[in-house]
Formats: sequence, structure tokens, C-alpha cells
Amino acid sequence: GAGVSQSPSNKVTEKGKDVELRCDPISGHTALYWYRQSLGQGLEFLIYFQGNSAPDKSGLPSDRFSAERTGGSVSTLTIQRTQQEDSAVYLCASSLAGGGWPETQYFGPGTRLLVL
Amino acid sequence: SQQGEEDPQALSIQEGENATMNCSYKTSINNLQWYRQNSGRGLVHLILIRSNEREKHSGRLRVTLDTSKKSSSLLITASRAADTASYFCATGSTGNTGKLIFGQGTTLQVKP
Repeated sequence: GAGVSQSPSNKVTEKGKDVELRCDPISGHTALYWYRQSLGQGLEFLIYFQGNSAPDKSGLPSDRFSAERTGGSVSTLTIQRTQQEDSAVYLCASSLAGGGWPETQYFGPGTRLLVL
Repeated sequence: SQQGEEDPQALSIQEGENATMNCSYKTSINNLQWYRQNSGRGLVHLILIRSNEREKHSGRLRVTLDTSKKSSSLLITASRAADTASYFCATGSTGNTGKLIFGQGTTLQVKP
């Protein structure tokens, strides 16, 4: 596709359940990022992928959060044993090279997660 | 953690007026970017300014960067109702992974 896509658009789950969020980056972009936007914390970085490896996981809030990227393309963010404080909009972005070079990051529409 | 502050937090103007938003940051950067967000969903990239640049223009947008004061401003000229959105600055730093650190954002309302 022409842009970054994410699925699902919205997800409602019960506390304690696991959820998987998917991101399809722009074709050819080697760098992929996950961010989270919540009312109390604003926009926060979660994890960065360069190809299939994740050299920066510093933003993951707990060990309940994990992510993987396969084939240098699609990425999945998994939240285990969801808590109400996990409710937020999860945004994925991709860029051409990554690695700290000044370049535009292109964002997807986000997944709005609500944990009841 | 957030990089810094954006000022003002909210701005309401009439169509045709100019809107100015300011952003301050704390650490050394190699670039600063401005994004727009409508209705709390995806972010749209507006402009990127490198740390060795002082001013950049794109259509009705003008961005300035003062690295000595660790601050940037975004000017939208001749505003339109369609400019109503939240605007975020985000900084990137040399030697890290390219992650962006975002400000808290400015909510702009342009009244027709």
C-alpha cells in the first residue's frame, strides 16, 4: 500500500486478556517504530526495529509488552495480561533508513485499545 | 518521558489570521519535526528542520529553530478552518535509534 496501515482500528478487551496489534509499514522502509498515545502520558516511544532486530526496546513499559518484526516488513505488538492502564492509541511509524538520521517518519492511523 | 513543552496548549483564532506555536526541548538534537493530528488518530508529517538550519518554509508553514535556546516555532499563515487540529513537535538525536521524542502538543481551533 501507499502508506502505513494498522489493524485493528479499534480493540476492546477485558482485563487480563492478551491482544495483538499489527502494523504494515511502507514497502522498502527498513525502520519501524511503535509509539503509544494516552491522555496522561502524551506520545511515548515504545520500540524501534531496524530490519527484523530491535536495537531499542527502551520504551516498553513492562515485560507484558513484546513486539516482533518478520521479513523486514510486518510487525506485531503483543500485550499480555492487559491492564486498564494499557488503554491508549498505539501508533506505528516507518522510515526509510532509521539509525538516527534526520528523516521523516510516516505514521499509521493507529489502533485504539480499550481495556475494560 | 516528554522532551519538553509546547506553548500555548490551546489556541483559538479566526480564519485568515496567523497561528504561532512554540516548542522547547531539553537535549541535543539533530532534527526537529512538526506533525499534525486530527481527531486523535494518525500523525501527518508537516516539516523537518535539521539542527544546522534556522528557518524552513513549506507552503503556508514557516518553521524556525534556535538551537542555542533549544526552541522552535511553527507559524501557519492565513489559517483555514481545515487547519483545526493538534500540532506536535518531535525531536530526534544523533547517536540514537531515530526515535522521536514528542512535546505535549498545541490544540489549534480555527473558526470560520
